[in-house]
Amino acid sequence: KQEVTQIPAALSVPEGENLVLNCSFTDSAIYNLQWFRQDPGKGLTSLLLIQSSQREQTSGRLNASLDKSSGRSTLYIAASQPGDSATYLCAVSTNFNKFYFGSGTKLNVKP
Amino acid sequence: GAGVSQTPSNKVTEKGKYVELRCDPISGHTALYWYRQSLGQGPEFLIYFQGTGAADDSGLPNDRFFAVRPEGSVSTLKIQRTERGDSAVYLCASSLIAGDNEQFFGPGTRLTVL
Repeated sequence: KQEVTQIPAALSVPEGENLVLNCSFTDSAIYNLQWFRQDPGKGLTSLLLIQSSQREQTSGRLNASLDKSSGRSTLYIAASQPGDSATYLCAVSTNFNKFYFGSGTKLNVKP
Repeated sequence: GAGVSQTPSNKVTEKGKYVELRCDPISGHTALYWYRQSLGQGPEFLIYFQGTGAADDSGLPNDRFFAVRPEGSVSTLKIQRTERGDSAVYLCASSLIAGDNEQFFGPGTRLTVL
């Protein structure tokens, strides 16, 4: 069974810092990997989707990389803002019909 | 609507009761997924529909849980004889087709079993 781990579990940084969130998975035979943001009491908002054939995706201040062979992905957030405070979830699919999620990294960006 | 919607947003019930949770996917999305999220954890897969059929129900914890999607659009997750351990946020997601497409999530239904 696919196991997804996210490190750190929580992170607190001052506004303006660049930061990296880490995601690792045990089965490298994935179809794709998706990063989500979840605000307290809310559903998940898709941030970036990386297909298995891709190595990275970028959207604004966010950049996600994928290294299938080592079972790792990183989410890079540039120039963090207080509005970035949320829980960030990594999810991988090893077949085409379901995602396996990590437990998330809870990010707090201090003004 | 523009996104995935779920009703009710909150449901409080007593142990042993029956509940139904509803999901309206994005129009035109053929794939629909149900997940369950416990406090402090990531979502866990329950069941996936491609069209009207349940293509993978391997995540359903036991036979008290059942889901339907009779017309290939709206889906209902049904829980019989609820237990306190069923308390969680139930999330629904849809994608255009299964496979390479992004999953778009609804706001969830918070179920509390007293």
